[in-house]
Amino acid sequence: EIVMTQSPATLSVSPGERATLSCRASQSVGTNLAWYQQRPGQAPRLLIFSASTRATDIAARFSGSGSGTEFTLTINSLQSEDFAVYYCQHYNNWPYTFGQGTKLET
Amino acid sequence: EVQLLESGGDLVQPGGSLRLCCAASGFAFSSYAMNWVRQAPGKGLEWVSVISGNGGATFYADSVRGRFTISRDNSKNTLCLQMNTLSVEDTAFYYCATKPGGYHAAFDNWGQGTLVTVSS
Repeated sequence: EIVMTQSPATLSVSPGERATLSCRASQSVGTNLAWYQQRPGQAPRLLIFSASTRATDIAARFSGSGSGTEFTLTINSLQSEDFAVYYCQHYNNWPYTFGQGTKLET
Repeated sequence: EVQLLESGGDLVQPGGSLRLCCAASGFAFSSYAMNWVRQAPGKGLEWVSVISGNGGATFYADSVRGRFTISRDNSKNTLCLQMNTLSVEDTAFYYCATKPGGYHAAFDNWGQGTLVTVSS
């Protein structure tokens, strides 16, 4: 099973600033990497797939990069609604596994 | 509009059973693999199981294999998860999620979840 490790666990930033979240896979997953956002009390929502492709209706301030084992989610000009928990997930093979999450807080 | 509505969550005693279902609408249900993902209160996401679009292939997480059974009825656009021999570690919100069928892909739509509580 591929282990996904996210860092940091918590990231404190201010509205309007940039946030950079990291995700590392224990073995190469190519670009089979997704990012999800989960706001309090809500279900997860797909943000990014194929490491760098924004999902439908996702704002352009969200961007993803990386391949192999190292991935980054960047959120520019943070809005109030962006303060949430973010999960990475590989889908290279079963079982798909998630990172433990990064909580973005003010 | 894609809609996924989970049901069946409840309070159950350790060792008991429960059946969750997910009613789907707004998309070509049989063209999508369907997943169950769970989240213990205050914890992260854990993939549980997947079933292919035609129901012919299933996979399970090690933590539930042999206890949980995933199934689908494409004539009713419904996904289900039969959970047996439940333990306190199975306490979680259970989400159904779609995955485009036929290849590895991300989960592009999620339901709102149903809460399973295993406690005596």
